[in-house]
Amino acid sequence: EVQLVESGGGLVQPGRSLRLSCAASGFTFDDYAMHWVRQAPGKGLEWVSGISWNSGSIGYADSVKGRFTISRDNAKNSLYLQMNSLRAEDTALYYCAKDMAAAAAALFDYWGQGTLVTVSS
Amino acid sequence: QSALTQPASVSGSPGQSITISCTGTSSDVGSYNLVSWYQQHPGKAPKLMIYEGSKRPSGVSNRFSGSKSGNTASLTISGLQAEDEADYYCCSYAGSSTPAVFGGGTQLTVL
Repeated sequence: EVQLVESGGGLVQPGRSLRLSCAASGFTFDDYAMHWVRQAPGKGLEWVSGISWNSGSIGYADSVKGRFTISRDNAKNSLYLQMNSLRAEDTALYYCAKDMAAAAAALFDYWGQGTLVTVSS
Repeated sequence: QSALTQPASVSGSPGQSITISCTGTSSDVGSYNLVSWYQQHPGKAPKLMIYEGSKRPSGVSNRFSGSKSGNTASLTISGLQAEDEADYYCCSYAGSSTPAVFGGGTQLTVL
């Protein structure tokens, strides 16, 4: 059974940093691209960042470019999102999502339950 | 990186069919056969319903179907059931630098 378990969310002040983690199991992690997708309270889904199977291709939404860094550790079956210079508008539930392809194809077949990030003073 | 355009809401009665449109551009929906659709019930994670425009994952009802014409993709749900009431999002591949763009979401109400 595929499982994606996010962690690391919480309440953080504007301008501070936070690191999210996603622990994957139930599939061959290094065969697939992975992504972070967020959903602000009461709003729609927004793709944040994606990384190919071997970290050779990485992409970011314009809204987080230069502030967020995605990475993965295939030996630990884990995906990460380092979030710096956080803003109030980054407040959202952050989902980890598995792609159906090794290179990012934006086909998300499995999702975690999300970790909530709240940016507020 | 403009979001794909979906109607904010659609509704239908049990047993009827509804279609949700998803309009993009020649840089995303129109260029790739990589449109997917997601169902999201309140408080739940999204669920993949359609991928590569018209394919259904194992376990998804054949009442759900997808299609594409030019820059517009569509999700059709036939034989509406109460359990179909949810938010639906389309997503398209948009190139290697920013691979994914979502639609704004459509709230489906089963009357």
